[in-house]
Amino acid sequence: DAGITQSPRHKVTETGTPVTLRCHQTENHRYMYWYRQDPGHGLRLIHYSYGVKDTDKGEVSDGYSVSRSKTEDFLLTLESATSSQTSVYFCAISEIAGLDTQYFGPGTRLTVL
Amino acid sequence: GESVGLHLPTLSVQEGDNSIINCAYSNSASDYFIWYKQESGKGPQFIIDIRSNMDKRQGQRVTVLLNKTVKHLSLQIAATQPGDSAVYFCAETGPGNNRKLIWGLGTSLAVNP
Repeated sequence: DAGITQSPRHKVTETGTPVTLRCHQTENHRYMYWYRQDPGHGLRLIHYSYGVKDTDKGEVSDGYSVSRSKTEDFLLTLESATSSQTSVYFCAISEIAGLDTQYFGPGTRLTVL
Repeated sequence: GESVGLHLPTLSVQEGDNSIINCAYSNSASDYFIWYKQESGKGPQFIIDIRSNMDKRQGQRVTVLLNKTVKHLSLQIAATQPGDSAVYFCAETGPGNNRKLIWGLGTSLAVNP
C-alpha cells in the first residue's frame, strides 16, 4: 500500500459521537485525499489537501472536516457521526494532482449505530 | 438515497481467456485516464494509465485503449488468471475539474478455473 497506513482499520461508534480517522504516509507526497466507498456509488471524494494546512472540499464534504498539520498526516473528523456515514473510508496520496496515479491506503471500515 | 445492494456489472471469463472491461467516461475535456483494480477488503491499486494524446498503451498483460471520439476507454487483460478476479474502476481527470479524479462505478471480473 505504498507507505500509507490508516487507523483505526475498523470502528463501531454511536450516532452523535465524534470520530477521527488518521492517514499517515511515508512517501512525502504533497497531495492527500479522503474518499468514501459505498455500494452503488463507487469512490466519492470527501476532502483533499494540497499541502500543509491547505485543504479543499470534495463532492461529499458535508458533515466532515479535515486537518493537515504535517506533510505525513491527514486527519478526517466526523463532528457528530450519523448512520449515513457508515462506509469504508480510503486515504490516497499523489505527487501531482490529477496527472499521476493516486496510491491508496488499506481503508477504514466505520459503522455508525 | 443510496442504492444499497446495487449489483456491479459483472464479467465472467474462463482462466486463460482474454478479458475486456469497458468504461464510458463523462467529460470530453478529460486528458488523463487511469485503471484501478480493487480486491476484496483492500484499497484500489493502480494498473495502468493513459494520456489523451495516446490511443493505446500496453503494460504487462494489460492494454488500455482510448477512443476520444466516443468517450470510451477499455482495459484488456491477456491470459486472465484467478488472481485477476477483482473490481476494476476507470477514472478520468482534466483541467476543467481542478484535476480531481472522477470515478466510474466499477466492473466485477470473475475468473473461472
